[in-house]
Amino acid sequence: DAGVIQSPRHEVTEMGQEVTLRCKPISGHDYLFWYRQTMMRGLELLIYFNNNVPIDDSGMPEDRFSAKMPNASFSTLKIQPSEPRDSAVYFCASQLGWDTQYFGPGTRLTVL
Amino acid sequence: KNQVEQSPQSLIILEGKNCTLQCNYTVSPFSNLRWYKQDTGRGPVSLTIMTFSENTKSNGRYTATLDADTKQSSLHITASQLSDSASYICVVSHGGEDMRFGAGTRLTVKP
Repeated sequence: DAGVIQSPRHEVTEMGQEVTLRCKPISGHDYLFWYRQTMMRGLELLIYFNNNVPIDDSGMPEDRFSAKMPNASFSTLKIQPSEPRDSAVYFCASQLGWDTQYFGPGTRLTVL
Repeated sequence: KNQVEQSPQSLIILEGKNCTLQCNYTVSPFSNLRWYKQDTGRGPVSLTIMTFSENTKSNGRYTATLDADTKQSSLHITASQLSDSASYICVVSHGGEDMRFGAGTRLTVKP
């Protein structure tokens, strides 16, 4: 398996624009997580899914953020409208049951 | 106050030496504790996962210990290598996948 795949790897956009981050989890994994990492706040869990169903979205900072998982092999994290304080590295991770969690390479988002 | 405290914040050691990183938590109830290694510019990589009943778990030169009574965990690295230079993050879960993250320890191994 190629591991968790994220796209794009880098995204530069202007304030107010919509940003969509994409994730393909490892095949067969039933959990998918979205994280955000900044120097100031470290690693933060935004939302996670179990069998494509959102379980806990309490980490989503505000209504500008939304995440979907239409099927077992694809998830999106959308920010609309984006703001400079959203600049961070966004990681997607997947796991099977309570086993090891595998992270993707991350998407580095810069909002100007 | 963060429910997961890691120490030291940063550490510099010479190649070949051993080191121990600490993680103290107040998360309750406790489900599991994970140690991750994160190289600069990369995603975190899982090193160990420990549940309440496990005291020690090893992964190569990495050995994690857990004392659920005192709510302390340590990550011991034996015979350090230059490639061990990274950030090490402790993550404690309570109730499902509700997680609390430590700020990490930045380890630098010098030749």
